[in-house]
Amino acid sequence: GENVEQHPSTLSVQEGDSAVIKCTYSDSASNYFPWYKQELGKRPQLIIDIRSNVGEKKDQRIAVTLNKTAKHFSLHITETQPEDSAVYFCAASNSGGSNYKLTFGKGTLLTVNP
Amino acid sequence: DGGITQSPKYLFRKEGQNVTLSCEQNLNHDAMYWYRQDPGQGLRLIYYSQIVNDFQKGDIAEGYSVSREKKESFPLTVTSAQKNPTAFYLCASRDRGLQALHFGNGTRLTVT
Repeated sequence: GENVEQHPSTLSVQEGDSAVIKCTYSDSASNYFPWYKQELGKRPQLIIDIRSNVGEKKDQRIAVTLNKTAKHFSLHITETQPEDSAVYFCAASNSGGSNYKLTFGKGTLLTVNP
Repeated sequence: DGGITQSPKYLFRKEGQNVTLSCEQNLNHDAMYWYRQDPGQGLRLIYYSQIVNDFQKGDIAEGYSVSREKKESFPLTVTSAQKNPTAFYLCASRDRGLQALHFGNGTRLTVT
């Protein structure tokens, strides 16, 4: 089955700096890669996703890049703000059908210091 | 107001007792999922169901059971056979043809 590795487990940055979180996956058939943000005590919420036919996607201060050959993808947050502090999870999945499921990384605790 | 409702938010049980966690969705989603979250472990898949009356084991199904008698409901039973049941449990659903999961607010189960 799919295995997703996520690094680093914790990341501390100063407000205004950039933050980068990296993930690798094992199943070359995976084609969908979402990122979720989970604030303390709350539900994970989708912040951005990318499909395998795209190399990069941006949404304001957030961007995700995908390298299918190397089987890794990254989340980039620019101009970080204290409200970006949360746990971020990457995930990978296959194309769908009757066996569709998401496999998650172990998460990165991002702390943005004012 | 559409969404996924998990109840209760906090649940306390004595060791050896079975306990059932509720998950209801009014999004008309076909697929539903149960994940377990432990500190530093990420989200691990327990069971999932793509359609009513059908479900599959995830990566850590031992000690758990589910049912999917209605499209909108996917209850999870934590049995006494689960060795470390204390955790945060998250239910999610997915619309047919789409790949994103939508999560409920979770139930924090404490077994002593």
